Amino acid sequence: GAVVSQHPSWVICKSGTSVKIECRSLDFQATTMFWYRQFPKQSLMLMATSNEGSKATYEQGVEKDKFLINHASLTLSTLTVTSAHPEDSSFYICSARRFGVTEAFFGQGTRLTVV
Amino acid sequence: DQQVKQNSPSLSVQEGRISILNCDYTNSMFDYFLWYKKYPAEGPTFLISISSIKDKNEDGRFTVFLNKSAKHLSLHIVPSQPGDSAVYFCAAAKEVEKLTFGTGTRLTIIP
Repeated sequence: GAVVSQHPSWVICKSGTSVKIECRSLDFQATTMFWYRQFPKQSLMLMATSNEGSKATYEQGVEKDKFLINHASLTLSTLTVTSAHPEDSSFYICSARRFGVTEAFFGQGTRLTVV
Repeated sequence: DQQVKQNSPSLSVQEGRISILNCDYTNSMFDYFLWYKKYPAEGPTFLISISSIKDKNEDGRFTVFLNKSAKHLSLHIVPSQPGDSAVYFCAAAKEVEKLTFGTGTRLTIIP
């Protein structure tokens, strides 16, 4: 159990366009989902925490208007990178957690390249 | 402020030997610790965890040790296998809050 699926695995988009990344918990209800960004050879940087049915909580320095997060159901959260720029190119990873459980399970990640 | 630190960016170990990955933390409020393994271009995979009420947790070839007084935890892998080559992240949490990750250690197992 505890499978988290992230889609797409990779995406190339033109500068100025928006990209949506989906994160689904396949076999459990995820009351909390997290979105991370990883730069080459660096740690995972938490971008935001989303709880089902409520607004996401963004970490300091993360633009909420640029990185739109929606957690509409207990099994789906989406991250939309709006008006993407080349500096947004990165590896984005989601994770999901059941209520009251600390372990978080991760999706496969999405490699975003903005050209 | 890096609350969880992995001071060794890389580690090479001979196949069959023990791999020891270390992690230090500064926040004494952390009460749950986890280790994740990550291959390139993939999401992290949960390996093993330990609660602050314990000092050791074992799961097959993986053992995590926690020294609360030193604010230090370590992951032991024995025997090390080529498939263990990956980046290992330790993470810490306070109650059931968000995870704080270390910077990672790249483990290379030499055949």
